[in-house]
Formats: sequence, C-alpha cells, structure tokens
Amino acid sequence: ILNVEQSPQSLHVQEGDSTNFTCSFPSSNFYALHWYRWETAKSPEALFVMTLNGDEKKKGRISATLNTKEGYSYLYIKGSQPEDSATYLCASPPGGAGNMLTFGGGTRLMVKP
Amino acid sequence: DVKVTQSSRYLVKRTGEKVFLECVQDMDHENMFWYRQDPGLGLRLIYFSYDVKMKEKGDIPEGYSVSREKKERFSLILESASTNQTSMYLCASSLWGGATEAFFGQGTRLTVV
Repeated sequence: ILNVEQSPQSLHVQEGDSTNFTCSFPSSNFYALHWYRWETAKSPEALFVMTLNGDEKKKGRISATLNTKEGYSYLYIKGSQPEDSATYLCASPPGGAGNMLTFGGGTRLMVKP
Repeated sequence: DVKVTQSSRYLVKRTGEKVFLECVQDMDHENMFWYRQDPGLGLRLIYFSYDVKMKEKGDIPEGYSVSREKKERFSLILESASTNQTSMYLCASSLWGGATEAFFGQGTRLTVV
C-alpha cells in the first residue's frame, strides 16, 4: 500500500484568501501525481497530472507544484471563491509505472463569502 | 466527453443479499477501478482491472469480487452484503498507465440494512 497523505484534513478560509495544501508520497519509484477536485453531489474531476520533478501546472486561479525528490506536491488557490469549496484529492500509482491509483484522504476546503 | 455511468445512484439492500454494482464507460479505456469512500478515510481502492478478464486486488478487496467480461463494463459484486459495506461506491476509468487522468462515475450510495 502506497502512503499518500494530505494535509490539512480540512480548511476554512474567507473569500479572497489565498490558500495551499500539501500532498506527500514516497519519493522512491515515483511515476505520476494526480490532483482532483470533488464537489458535493458531483463526481471527482481531474485538475492536474504531473510527472516531472519541478513540474508546475496552472488552471485559472489554481496551480500545483511537484517535488519528486522529497516526495511532496502543493496545490495553491489564489483568491479563493465560494465555488472553490470542495474536497481536493491527490493520488499516485504505487510501485513505479503501475496503473493503479492510490488516493490520499483529501483536504476539505470551505470558503466563506 | 468521457462518460462513466453507474447503474444506480442509491441502493438499499438487506444483509446477506448478493449485490451487483454496474459501471460502464464509453471511451475505450483500458483501466477501470472501484473505490469506496467513507468519512475521514478518503477513497480506498477495492479492485482494479487493466484489461478484459484481468483484475487486481486493491487495498480492501475482502467481501467483494469483480467481473470484466467486456472492455466497457466493470461490475462490483458483494457476495453477501453486510452492514459494514454501507458506503459510497465510485467507479472510475482511465486510458492506460498511471499518468493519464481518471474519469469518475456519479457514485452509488449503498445502504445495507
């Protein structure tokens, strides 16, 4: 079992705040790191898939960075909006170039207007 | 758009019943997954399939089996439902490998009474 861990477990911020959370994973045999957003009553949707050390990806106000040598990824949200309220999940295939995806426990973000 | 469709949104079954959860994807994806989601535990992988008739156990396969007779369809079977299998079940598919994003179904909330 691959230990993919996320912190914090939950986060409350005010509208307009910028925020970030962490995904950590074993750095040996790294293959890929995924980020998903899961809104209430919807299906999880992919935000980013990253494979290279130093990768940075951006989609609107959301960006992510990847450090495969130390085994972590950060997800940043700039100027949080109430519609950003969701659970953010990261996932990684265990044991190198496998097909399985093992998820972390998620970070639940709540943005207050 | 990729579509992953689960047969039921809500199900209520009795203890001891055999339960089938069906999942169909329409994008010719190689990989299909079954996860369950419980509060505070994130998404846990039950079973994974990378090809027709091929399957691998995930982190929590006990009490479950799967069937993949056709590429587009992946079924999760609860041989004898128990109350501790009350959960949200999510099906997902991905093209191939661990570096392609997964697409999720809408989830089935199963209650075993």
